[in-house]
Amino acid sequence: EAEVAQSPRYKITEKSQAVAFWCDPISGHATLYWYRQILGQGPELLVQFQDESVVDDSQLPKDRFSAERLKGVDSTLKIQPAELGDSAMYLCASRRGSLEFRTEAFFGQGTRLTVV
Amino acid sequence: SQQGEEDPQALSIQEGENATMNCSYKTSINNLQWYRQNSGRGLVHLILIRSNEREKHSGRLRVTLDTSKKSSSLLITASRAADTASYFCSFFGNQFYFGTGTSLTVIP
Repeated sequence: EAEVAQSPRYKITEKSQAVAFWCDPISGHATLYWYRQILGQGPELLVQFQDESVVDDSQLPKDRFSAERLKGVDSTLKIQPAELGDSAMYLCASRRGSLEFRTEAFFGQGTRLTVV
Repeated sequence: SQQGEEDPQALSIQEGENATMNCSYKTSINNLQWYRQNSGRGLVHLILIRSNEREKHSGRLRVTLDTSKKSSSLLITASRAADTASYFCSFFGNQFYFGTGTSLTVIP
């Protein structure tokens, strides 16, 4: 069964260091999302791609976060410099089409980031 | 900002009992979905209900939707210890939102 792949599963980094997460969506899924989930809360959208284009990055802290999906397939989310408050689970999800209300999203296992 | 809210925040029941969790949302929607998340893992899609549907069943799951009240409920019947997880409602307003989640513990 096809899955959304994320790596690494866990990451510990020091404050002010750079960190990057990788996501490989299900083949053929045009829409890709990055979410941040703080422990005990629901996921909050950071950025949404449609193919290689950013559709929504209104909640991405652009002074330190960047995301790209250069060939419209896999994606990288970067934080530089990391802050203590960035400790969270970072989830990647993909969806087959661009019509949001038609289909479910498939999630990866997430990357648990701890900033020390 | 959190566009959806679930209650209760936490629920603890005995195996075999039914579990009901509720979701209220603020925006207009085309459909509402429920996801499950085991501790420290990604989310798994459970069920989708369209805005023109009032009730939907899938195995031991029953979902209701009341668009006039902007609310939905998820009922898990005959709960099992393996149902222990967090449950999130999800819906599309101008982006794909999630609720705050209900943490369900099923005691064997």
